[in-house]
Order: sequence, then structure tokens, then C-alpha cells
Amino acid sequence: GAVVSQHPSRVICKSGTSVKIECRSLDFQATTMFWYRQFPKQSLMLMATSNEGSKATYEQGVEKDKFLINHASLTLSTLTVTSAHPEDSSFYICSAPTSGPTDTQYFGPGTRLTVL
Amino acid sequence: QKEVEQNSGPLSVPEGAIASLNCTYSDRGSQSFFWYRQYSGKSPELIMFIYSNGDKEDGRFTAQLNKASQYVSLLIRDSQPSDSATYLCAVNSNQFYFGTGTSLTVIP
Repeated sequence: GAVVSQHPSRVICKSGTSVKIECRSLDFQATTMFWYRQFPKQSLMLMATSNEGSKATYEQGVEKDKFLINHASLTLSTLTVTSAHPEDSSFYICSAPTSGPTDTQYFGPGTRLTVL
Repeated sequence: QKEVEQNSGPLSVPEGAIASLNCTYSDRGSQSFFWYRQYSGKSPELIMFIYSNGDKEDGRFTAQLNKASQYVSLLIRDSQPSDSATYLCAVNSNQFYFGTGTSLTVIP
């Protein structure tokens, strides 16, 4: 299957700092990528849709000024958590759909963010 | 009504048994259907996709689709303890919708 990478896999930061997470599609181009957040023992929650060449689309309740998304190229999307606080500690996962009739989504390995 | 519904479980089966995971969806226009497996602390990984009515087999896994009933299932034969995970159903109807997942425990 297609490969999606994320970096870093784990990050610990102090409250008030900003953290950037990268999501790359390694063997295919993705005009759209998705960012999810998952708290322990809870379901995936879609945060936003990242669109190459245009603004991201945020789900209801997700602060766009706090979670900055930049889809810099057809293979790279970044999520920046600005002024992180302990309640932002979570597992952040990106995914990218391949093109074609099945439009299968492949997930990155996720980034575990801990804000102290 | 949610787009995709799954029984959250937990579902427990003994090792070697068949595990049956079910999913219903609301949009009759949905075109493709997916099953993902998510181990605790890991991201989801694709197991299978199906887009035609009937069964699709891949090793110990069989996906079943019934568009008339808006129902898709995943059967796991000869269940192993390593199959213990949360299984997510996803439906593509011009947008991806995920179910909340069913937790499966295979008891040795």
C-alpha cells in the first residue's frame, strides 16, 4: 500500500511553545490530506482537511488560529499547534487518500504530543 | 443519524473462532468501503477495501458488502490473540466517514 510518514513520532514540549508536525506522502501525490486527533480510548476525531494550494477546512469546534495547517506541496502538509497547553496533549494522526476509483486513505504513524 | 455506525463492543472471542464485525452506513450512494485495524497507541492500518456486493477474501479476512441493506462486515477466521485491536469501518461517499470502531479481544 501507499506510504505516509509523519515527523516527529513523539514530542514533549513546555506549555506556551509551538510544535510543528509534518505529514508526507512518500510514493504518491496528495492534493488533500486529513488531520485527526485521538485522545486515549476515544475515537478518531477529524480536525481539518488540508488542501494543496488553498486554505484548510476546519471541523466545527477546531480553532484555526491555534492549529495552523499549511499544505506546502503535493506531498507535504504541516500542522502547527501554537501556544500549546496540556489539554492539547494527544495523538495526532494524518492521512492521505490516493487517487483512483477506491480513493483509499492511508494513515501516517501518528505523533504523540505531550505538553508539560 | 451518524453516517457510519458500529457496535463499540467489546467483542470477545476465543482463539481459533470466527470474529464477526459489523457496520451500517446511511448514504445509499456510498461507493467504497474500508476496514482498518488500530492497535492501542498506534495509527490505523488498512486491512481491506470492498466496493462490489458480495464477499472479498484476503487470507483469514473476509469483507462482506450488502448495498441493499447498507451493511458491511468483516469476518476474521481462526482468530489469533494478535488480532486483538479496534477495528474501524470507513465509507467513502464523496467524503470519508469513519465509524467509532469495535474493540475486539481474542482470548488465548
